[in-house]
Amino acid sequence: ILNVEQSPQSLHVQEGDSTNFTCSFPSSNFYALHWYRWETAKSPEALFVMTLNGDEKKKGRISATLNTKEGYSYLYIKGSQPEDSATYLCAFFGDYKLSFGAGTTVTVRA
Amino acid sequence: EAQVTQNPRYLITVTGKKLTVTCSQNMNHEYMSWYRQDPGLGLRQIYYSMNVEVTDKGDVPEGYKVSRKEKRNFPLILESPSPNQTSLYFCASSWGQNNEQFFGPGTRLTVL
Repeated sequence: ILNVEQSPQSLHVQEGDSTNFTCSFPSSNFYALHWYRWETAKSPEALFVMTLNGDEKKKGRISATLNTKEGYSYLYIKGSQPEDSATYLCAFFGDYKLSFGAGTTVTVRA
Repeated sequence: EAQVTQNPRYLITVTGKKLTVTCSQNMNHEYMSWYRQDPGLGLRQIYYSMNVEVTDKGDVPEGYKVSRKEKRNFPLILESPSPNQTSLYFCASSWGQNNEQFFGPGTRLTVL
């Protein structure tokens, strides 16, 4: 089982503040790194799929960076809003398997 | 509408009674997989399939079987369910490894 770790496990953010959190993954046999957003009582939805070292992707106020050589990715939320409250999952794709981290649960306080 | 469907959505059963959870996608995706979600553990891959008649074990395959006879369907079979298989199960599909996974709505299984 591949070791994909996310930190912190949870965080609380004041509305309007920016935040970021980390996903670390094996640096060997890398194929792709996925980020998903998972709201309570719903299914995970894809945010980004990144494949190249140095990749940066952005969707609205959310962005992500990728460092495959050292095995980490950051997810950034700029100007957090209550609707950003969710669990954010990263997943490492290598050897045809997708291994998920346990997630970072973000709670945005109004 | 492009979607992944799972049935049933909720199931309570007893130890040893064989069951099948169906999964179907209408996007002509080649890659399909099953995951289980347990508190504090994240999503763990049970089985995956690269294409029709091609399946392989994920990280937690024990106690499960799958088949991929058609591109759109990928059923999960529990031959003899046990209480430790009580979990939330997700089916997902995608074009391939570089592509986002589309998740089904989930199946909450309780084995008594």
